[in-house]
Amino acid sequence: QSALTQPASVSGSPGQSITISCTGTSSDVGAYKYVSWYQQHPGKAPKLIIYDVSDRPSGVSYRFSGSKSGNTASLTISGLQAEDEADYYCSSYTRSATRVFGTGTKVTVL
Amino acid sequence: QLHLQESGPGLVKPSETLSLICAVSGGSISTSGYYWGWIRQPPGKGLEWIGSIDYRGDSHYNPSLQSRVTMPVDTSKNQFSLRLTSVTAADTAVNYCAKYQGGTMADYWGQGTLVTVSS
Repeated sequence: QSALTQPASVSGSPGQSITISCTGTSSDVGAYKYVSWYQQHPGKAPKLIIYDVSDRPSGVSYRFSGSKSGNTASLTISGLQAEDEADYYCSSYTRSATRVFGTGTKVTVL
Repeated sequence: QLHLQESGPGLVKPSETLSLICAVSGGSISTSGYYWGWIRQPPGKGLEWIGSIDYRGDSHYNPSLQSRVTMPVDTSKNQFSLRLTSVTAADTAVNYCAKYQGGTMADYWGQGTLVTVSS
């Protein structure tokens, strides 16, 4: 299985909104409502921030939102803050009952 | 609050077997609907899903690693393991264990442990 495709980097100024795309195929992203997003700060374990395309776990800021259209899922961070600077990974369940991660996106707050 | 902790050798020789344990506390590994997974991250690179298993032994592995991976579950010790055979330098990575809720989202993670493959 191939990794889902994400942009290598996205940047924005504090207060702005940014969107990270995650492109897969009809065998993964396009097949189910099982896309999740993870935030990873340097040297730390990933943290779940979005599951089932658009749901937020308890305690995750409302500034994080997710959506999906066809084979592409998206993560939007609104009101960008310095603490949002991190790596972000999407992940999808697949028709083979496996999981696959995206290539990862480095978010820089200017 | 669920807590996962990885343990195992930090250095493995090429061609040998990498073995790690993930100890689960604060909850039962035998809970229906939970899957237990391993994810790795080579230094400076992205996340790679290795596989997952539930307490009944229902397992799924990354096709690229399937021939070398097993994930035994020990319900008596509330822990699960990763065994990766015939390792090479390309298997050098931080290995994370995680709990998958409903099999689809990893909502609890261990802190990760670095395994280096080198002679």
